[in-house]
Formats: sequence, structure tokens, C-alpha cells
Amino acid sequence: GNSVTQMEGPVTLSEEAFLTINCTYTATGYPSLFWYVQYPGEGLQLLLKATKADDKGSNKGFEATYRKETTSFHLEKGSVQVSDSAVYFCALSASGGSYIPTFGRGTSLIVHP
Amino acid sequence: DAGITQSPRHKVTETGTPVTLRCHQTENHRYMYWYRQDPGHGLRLIHYSYGVKDTDKGEVSDGYSVSRSKTEDFLLTLESATSSQTSVYFCAIRSETGLNTEAFFGQGTRLTVV
Repeated sequence: GNSVTQMEGPVTLSEEAFLTINCTYTATGYPSLFWYVQYPGEGLQLLLKATKADDKGSNKGFEATYRKETTSFHLEKGSVQVSDSAVYFCALSASGGSYIPTFGRGTSLIVHP
Repeated sequence: DAGITQSPRHKVTETGTPVTLRCHQTENHRYMYWYRQDPGHGLRLIHYSYGVKDTDKGEVSDGYSVSRSKTEDFLLTLESATSSQTSVYFCAIRSETGLNTEAFFGQGTRLTVV
């Protein structure tokens, strides 16, 4: 079946530091890949997506590249802000799983001033 | 805003009582999902629906049932609530336009079973 594995947190950084959150996946078919963000007390919001190999998704300074050869979709940001503190979820949707969204366990990011 | 409303937003109930959570969408999407979110487990699929009266089980469906009598409403019922069902419940809809298969989420329902 489909699955997503992401690094455990919490990830604690100082403001303006570089962020990487690792994500790898297993999927049947050709998945689309997503990163979602969840702020305290809220639902998940789509942060970025990529629908085919070598695509780069980007939004609000965050980027992730769909790497089929390594089955990875790592999230990066060059300079984090305190307001980026949240939980980040890597996810996929694939034809082999009836496009049911499948999520990783989430990674908590804490950014200190 | 994907037009998803969950109700109630918070609920405290006693063990053994039935509980129904409601998810309402205004976008006329065919696919709807119920997840629960627990620390260390991320989001786990409870049940999903692919149309009116068409539903199927997810990975953690025991103790839960669902109904979808109208496109816009997807109900999750705990027939006899247990403390292990204390969780935050999220409803989601899925876009199905071409390659746009991302999910959109409601604000969640925090359920406490005492």
C-alpha cells in the first residue's frame, strides 16, 4: 500500500536558519506529492504540491522537488521566521490507492527569535 | 476557503453514549474523508465516501460508522463512545480536476470522551 515517512520532530531552529524536513514515500502508480501545514487549533492547509517527477513545488519561500529516483519530497526553506512555527505534513495521492490522501506523521517546527 | 464546515467544534461526552459529528461542504465534491489526528500517529483514515450512499472503511474504522445521504453532508457516528476515541477529528474533501487531487480540510472537531 501507499505510505509516507517523514522525519520526527520537533525541529527547533533560530530565526533565519535553513530548514530541511525529509520525506520519503512508497506508492502504487504515479503519485502526486504534497506538503501541508497546520497551525495551532486549525485544520491542515495545502502549502505546496508537485504532480510529476522533477517538478518543484513552491510557496511562501518553501520549496520541495519531486525525486522519483529517491522517492523523496524534502521540504526546504532558506530562512525561517517565527511565524513558520507549525506542524508540517508530507502527503501523497496516487491512482493505485484510489487517490485517497495518505499522510506522514507530521513534523513539528519551532522557530525561536 | 474550500467551504467545509465541521460541527460541533468541541464536544465532551460520556463513555457509552452515541456521538455524531457532521461535515458539510458547499463545493459539490464527490470525495469526502474522515480522519482522526493523534500525537505520534499523524492523520489516520477512518472512513471515506465516493458519492451519495457510497462509503468504505479506512485503516481505523472499528467503532465508527458513516452516512452520506446528500452530496454536501458526511456524518461520522461513534455508536458507543470509548476513551480511546478521544481525538481531534478532521473532515476533508478532495479535488478531482485533472491532476489536482489535493485535499481541503475542515477546522476539526475536538472530542473528549470521559
